[in-house]
Amino acid sequence: DGGITQSPKYLFRKEGQNVTLSCEQNLNHDAMYWYRQDPGQGLRLIYYSQIVNDFQKGDIAEGYSVSREKKESFPLTVTSAQKNPTAFYLCASSTQPDNLNYGYTFGSGTRLTVV
Amino acid sequence: GEDVEQSLFLSVREGDSSVINCTYTDSSSTYLYWYKQEPGAGLQLLTYIFSNMDMKQDQRLTVLLNKKDKHLSLRIADTQTGDSAIYFCAANDYKLSFGAGTTVTVRA
Repeated sequence: DGGITQSPKYLFRKEGQNVTLSCEQNLNHDAMYWYRQDPGQGLRLIYYSQIVNDFQKGDIAEGYSVSREKKESFPLTVTSAQKNPTAFYLCASSTQPDNLNYGYTFGSGTRLTVV
Repeated sequence: GEDVEQSLFLSVREGDSSVINCTYTDSSSTYLYWYKQEPGAGLQLLTYIFSNMDMKQDQRLTVLLNKKDKHLSLRIADTQTGDSAIYFCAANDYKLSFGAGTTVTVRA
């Protein structure tokens, strides 16, 4: 079955540590996205990529980095520069941005906690 | 960019209808969407409506679009306990913009 897989489901980070969240899709989607979700604030876009080897900053990119070396994979690194990283992180993918009748497909999320 | 707003909470009795409202700012949005999120899970696409439509019905779900007022609503008929979740409205410009989500609580 086609889908989008995020791992791990739960992640704990120590102060000053970088961590990487995995996102893999087998839907042959061109575009991929990372969102952060905090209670009462909805979804905020961190980074997005419309094509391999290219990505753009979203609304809250500071303290995060991404790569898009393969169409199927869009990992997110939360760096030590991100001062408040505890949140629920969601990865999504879609067909070409101008063909949005199916919206986005979401992964099941990674909950990151700073300890 | 697009701003999408929704009320944060809705409480409804089991068996009644739920109506979740949303407003958006960009009149050029082509598609508008409703997503459902259950606790600890990702978002699931419930339904969408194309901007040249006024209404779309899909089993218990009815979407109404007032393009003049930039107002979108989702009606859930015969609300069940399994409908308790957060519901997100989303509109597209070059990417999807999401509202803050409406937490729907179904009480017996």
